[in-house]
Amino acid sequence: NAGVTQTPKFQVLKTGQSMTLQCAQDMNHEYMSWYRQDPGMGLRLIHYSVGAGITDQGEVPNGYNVSRSTTEDFPLRLLSAAPSQTSVYFCASRVEGGLETQYFGPGTRLLVL
Amino acid sequence: EDKVVQSPLSLVVHEGDTVTLNCSYEVTNFRSLLWYKQEKKAPTFLFMLTSSGIEKKSGRLSSILDKKELFSILNITATQTGDSAVYLCAPTQGGSEKLVFGKGTKLTVNP
Repeated sequence: NAGVTQTPKFQVLKTGQSMTLQCAQDMNHEYMSWYRQDPGMGLRLIHYSVGAGITDQGEVPNGYNVSRSTTEDFPLRLLSAAPSQTSVYFCASRVEGGLETQYFGPGTRLLVL
Repeated sequence: EDKVVQSPLSLVVHEGDTVTLNCSYEVTNFRSLLWYKQEKKAPTFLFMLTSSGIEKKSGRLSSILDKKELFSILNITATQTGDSAVYLCAPTQGGSEKLVFGKGTKLTVNP
């Protein structure tokens, strides 16, 4: 199993540009989440999904969209990038009820100029 | 409002020292407390604590939870340079998918 994969590893955007961060898992996990981590901060939940076709907002959802058309994929879209969205983004997946066994992807480092 | 406070925020020690990292929390419908280690990449799971006073141990690392006083500690004995990392705690809540992470404690172990 590849586990949780994220692409790209690093991206530079200009303010106002849009892009999609990709996340995929091959463990057949129902639950997937997106977190952002800023320097000196813990992880903050952006959006999460409890299954294909079902998504919900986390702690800091503004400026981000998600969709879950398949169990495997959970892309995160930045509609109009802002410098405040400069961060490291982690995708995670787990089975239902398994917060303690959440698998994290390697992260995407995003710089918005 | 849910709150998680970790202390100290930063700690520098020498190899062989013993360290204690603290995590205090205020969350509704508390279910468990998770500890993670984060090096230069994604967090890796260390412990899950659900009951007060029962120590979880893994090698030189151990952790305990006090549900009455709403805190947990993570101990690392005989520290090694490989223990250098950010240690994060996160309480989980019943009926919620959200993890509320603390800001972390950055541990640096010098040879």
